[in-house]
Amino acid sequence: AQSVTQLDSQVPVFEEAPVELRCNYSSSVSVYLFWYVQYPNQGLQLLLKYLSGSTLVKGINGFEAEFNKSQTSFHLRKPSVHISDTAEYFCAVSDQVDTGRRALTFGSGTRLQVQP
Amino acid sequence: KAGVTQTPRYLIKTRGQQVTLSCSPISGHRSVSWYQQTPGQGLQFLFEYFSETQRNKGNFPGRFSGRQFSNSRSEMNVSTLELGDSALYLCASTPGAAYNSPLHFGNGTRLTVT
Repeated sequence: AQSVTQLDSQVPVFEEAPVELRCNYSSSVSVYLFWYVQYPNQGLQLLLKYLSGSTLVKGINGFEAEFNKSQTSFHLRKPSVHISDTAEYFCAVSDQVDTGRRALTFGSGTRLQVQP
Repeated sequence: KAGVTQTPRYLIKTRGQQVTLSCSPISGHRSVSWYQQTPGQGLQFLFEYFSETQRNKGNFPGRFSGRQFSNSRSEMNVSTLELGDSALYLCASTPGAAYNSPLHFGNGTRLTVT
């Protein structure tokens, strides 16, 4: 079974500082990888996705992530955060298996707290 | 284009009751998935429907059920509610059956069981 580990439950950071949110997954098959963001009292919004091709993926709001197959990681980064980036971030994975069925496995989330 | 709409936004029920939650996907989207979000268990997959057929089901008891209508709208039902069913229930839709399509989430229904 798939599992996703987000190594940090909370990450405090000052405004305009860089940030990295870590994500590792366990899978014996090729995967699709996603990062979602959740603001208070809202659903999840897609930040970026890795399906294939370049291992460096750029998303919305200045975020990017790098897929590392050998380390089974998909860390999310932003060079300079804003107060408005304060939210919970979820890493998710689905298998590249064409069973016609699909369920995302989510990590436990990382709460990013941007301080002025 | 309107996003995924979930109703109601908030719900308070008593143990033993049943509840029905509704989800209207983005227009043209045919796949609807449901997830339960709790502080302790995080986000857990409930089930997925595509063209009125349940294609996948998570590890939840039979008290949790769902269905999808011909217009792709979906409902989920929880019978004999337990305190542990208190959660944010999220619905998500995608255009088709592809397993690499990102999910578009609604804002959820927050269910409180007392």
